[in-house]
Amino acid sequence: ILNVEQSPQSLHVQEGDSTNFTCSFPSSNFYALHWYRWETAKSPEALFVMTLNGDEKKKGRISATLNTKEGYSYLYIKGSQPEDSATYLCASFSGSARQLTFGSGTQLTVLP
Amino acid sequence: DSGVTQTPKHLITATGQRVTLRCSPRSGDLSVYWYQQSLDQGLQFLIQYYNGEERAKGNILERFSAQQFPDLHSELNLSSLELGDSALYFCASSPRGESSYNSPLHFGNGTRLTVT
Repeated sequence: ILNVEQSPQSLHVQEGDSTNFTCSFPSSNFYALHWYRWETAKSPEALFVMTLNGDEKKKGRISATLNTKEGYSYLYIKGSQPEDSATYLCASFSGSARQLTFGSGTQLTVLP
Repeated sequence: DSGVTQTPKHLITATGQRVTLRCSPRSGDLSVYWYQQSLDQGLQFLIQYYNGEERAKGNILERFSAQQFPDLHSELNLSSLELGDSALYFCASSPRGESSYNSPLHFGNGTRLTVT
């Protein structure tokens, strides 16, 4: 993996469903993986910063895991609510890039 | 409220013109980053300043330049504007410089630039 890739690109779920999405990043020269939540008409807000292989972070119903050896991170949302609708961005500081590189995001829509 | 202030919110200008986007970082933050988001693209890193000095450079066009002033506010100058420069330009700040990879970025609300 040379770039930061996120999947799926978009996702629709029903209120109450749990969901997860993936971020793949270069595993070489790894320093950190960030997750941001970006609501429409607002600015991206940091959710998690993870630096160690096996890191797990949790904030309310949202959690994230990190595998630096294989270069992926999962973001989980338990019991999705309409207010969780947003674009979720991941960004890695790894590989040959010497700055935080963002993926294109996963756009989540939670239907009431 | 992230504490990062960007002005103006919207800017409409013609091709060939020059504009300046302004960013005031969160109080206490020394690093300022500029990102560009074009249609259907992720956030593209342009440039980072730390305490007044350029720290990292991304795919920033030669027509674009930036600086960070002693009071730590930053300006992004875009010249000889083209239609393709229309985008949302974000400024973000963090406390540190090169080691700031483990600090979350705090984003401003962005400047929406439209080139006609």
